[in-house]
Amino acid sequence: DGGITQSPKYLFRKEGQNVTLSCEQNLNHDAMYWYRQDPGQGLRLIYYSQIVNDFQKGDIAEGYSVSREKKESFPLTVTSAQKNPTAFYLCASSMNRDTQYFGPGTRLTVL
Amino acid sequence: QQQVKQSPQSLIVQKGGISIINCAYENTAFDYFPWYQQFPGKGPALLIAIRPDVSEKKEGRFTISFNKSAKQFSLHIMDSQPGDSATYFCAASRSSYKLIFGSGTRLLVRP
Repeated sequence: DGGITQSPKYLFRKEGQNVTLSCEQNLNHDAMYWYRQDPGQGLRLIYYSQIVNDFQKGDIAEGYSVSREKKESFPLTVTSAQKNPTAFYLCASSMNRDTQYFGPGTRLTVL
Repeated sequence: QQQVKQSPQSLIVQKGGISIINCAYENTAFDYFPWYQQFPGKGPALLIAIRPDVSEKKEGRFTISFNKSAKQFSLHIMDSQPGDSATYFCAASRSSYKLIFGSGTRLLVRP
């Protein structure tokens, strides 16, 4: 059963703590992406990776970090430097530059 | 120039009616225009997409109309059903991996 998995579905974090969100895909896609979604807003690109061991900043990369050590995995770390981290985080992947397939998302809440 | 403006923010349609959502862009280099459908608490799913070499694309009850000169494109949902109630996002990209999303339209189809 191919697809994109994100874990956990819900995540709670205390202020000042770093937290890592998991994203795994078994679609054999080269490219992977992380988006942030806030209520009533569209999706904003945080980071994307076109190939293993390479990634680029998106529009709102400050306070976030990523790694791409394996083709299947693209974890996102929300650091304490991110001033307003409470949001819905979406991971996506694509074989080519167009059709992006999204995971189910992780809802992060900072307490 | 990188923005995609989407309207309306919300839309209420009676069952069987036509739902119309509009998007406008500035960057003439955009060459791929997808529409995504998102249900609450889920990741977006690709609904239909168009390239600027055609003016219309139809898939079942969903149609994209594209006006290159006006830099506008729209989604039409014919015979709208309560199951179509969701948030719809338009997006655009220009020969890259970066999709620029509109702010979304929340559609409610009343029975």
